[in-house]
Amino acid sequence: EAQVTQNPRYLITVTGKKLTVTCSQNMNHEYMSWYRQDPGLGLRQIYYSMNVEVTDKGDVPEGYKVSRKEKRNFPLILESPSPNQTSLYFCASSFDRHSYEQYFGPGTRLTVT
Amino acid sequence: AQKITQTQPGMFVQEKEAVTLDCTYDTSDPSYGLFWYKQPSSGEMIFLIYQGSYDQQNATEGRYSLNFQKARKSANLVISASQLGDSAMYFCAMRDTRTGANNLFFGTGTRLTVIP
Repeated sequence: EAQVTQNPRYLITVTGKKLTVTCSQNMNHEYMSWYRQDPGLGLRQIYYSMNVEVTDKGDVPEGYKVSRKEKRNFPLILESPSPNQTSLYFCASSFDRHSYEQYFGPGTRLTVT
Repeated sequence: AQKITQTQPGMFVQEKEAVTLDCTYDTSDPSYGLFWYKQPSSGEMIFLIYQGSYDQQNATEGRYSLNFQKARKSANLVISASQLGDSAMYFCAMRDTRTGANNLFFGTGTRLTVIP
């Protein structure tokens, strides 16, 4: 089944404790991205990647890192999480940067206390 | 600057009736794409419909249609014959043309409640 998977789905952590949210797709997609969703703000893009080893900042990249060492995986790293990073996070992928259809992962709900 | 505006935080509709969810956008790029996504209470993002700026006809997908009015910069979603399962959050989005990538700008969403 074609899908985008994220792990963990739920996470409660404390300020400053490094964490990684994994994202993996099995569709051989070139393009992947991360969004965060906050009430009243919709979804905002954090980082995106147009291919392996090619990543770039979205609209709200502060406090996040990403890597794209292989095509299927695009982990989101929070080196020192803070409470303002409490949010619902989505990973998305598409065949390439021209494809209009994007596949979203199920979301990761992160709480930083 | 590109911008998506959804002015209806919440909407109610009677089951089996049609409902229109508003979306206006702003861009100076002549080539752009507009999307609608549905987010049920379970949280996942479900792609509903897409409209390209050069498409001559309004996009339709089953009970969903996009009322695209280019001169007014609006891309309203029309849901016909509402069902209880349509109760969800709905997001309008536009492809970000600044970078040439497939990045999306989202509106703040409209919560639709279908009343039995």
